[in-house]
Amino acid sequence: NAGVTQTPKFRVLKTGQSMTLLCAQDMNHEYMYWYRQDPGMGLRLIHYSVGEGTTAKGEVPDGYNVSRLKKQNFLLGLESAAPSQTSVYFCASSPGPNSPLHFGNGTRLTVT
Amino acid sequence: SQQGEEDPQALSIQEGENATMNCSYKTSINNLQWYRQNSGRGLVHLILIRSNEREKHSGRLRVTLDTSKKSSSLLITASRAADTASYFCALGITGGGNKLTFGTGTQLKVEL
Repeated sequence: NAGVTQTPKFRVLKTGQSMTLLCAQDMNHEYMYWYRQDPGMGLRLIHYSVGEGTTAKGEVPDGYNVSRLKKQNFLLGLESAAPSQTSVYFCASSPGPNSPLHFGNGTRLTVT
Repeated sequence: SQQGEEDPQALSIQEGENATMNCSYKTSINNLQWYRQNSGRGLVHLILIRSNEREKHSGRLRVTLDTSKKSSSLLITASRAADTASYFCALGITGGGNKLTFGTGTQLKVEL
């Protein structure tokens, strides 16, 4: 079982460039999430989805967009990268409300 | 803040000893979850405890929840070097949908 797979694992961007992070899950989970993890700040929720075709804002959504066109995929886009978006990004999924989250292994993004 | 606060921030013990980590919060929750994160990896779910539960066990892990004091503790008994990791509490906030709010974590080091 692959679980939650994130691609790419590492990426370096220059300020102003754009990119898309891909998250794929093979557990038929309804809910999917994007978090960012910064030193000393724990994980902060960027956007999440409660089903195919739905998205909602989390705690720190500015500068990011998401899409959930297929149930198994959740894409996180950065339209114009900024150094403040240097972070480790984690995708997670869960089968429903009040359920444990299953995490991918993260994407380490550096914006110079 | 709706974030849980873990205490201590860092903990170093000898193999075979018990490790206790605490999580305090200020909001109303319907569940509290504990996760482990090994260096460079994604988070792994350990235990979920609901607001109407007081204690749960899983192998060498014991979690307690005191909603009147708004606090939870994670006890790892007979620790092993492989338990070295960061441990996070995550709050399922009442009325917050299925979003989890993570604390900043406790870094546990178990020395041989």
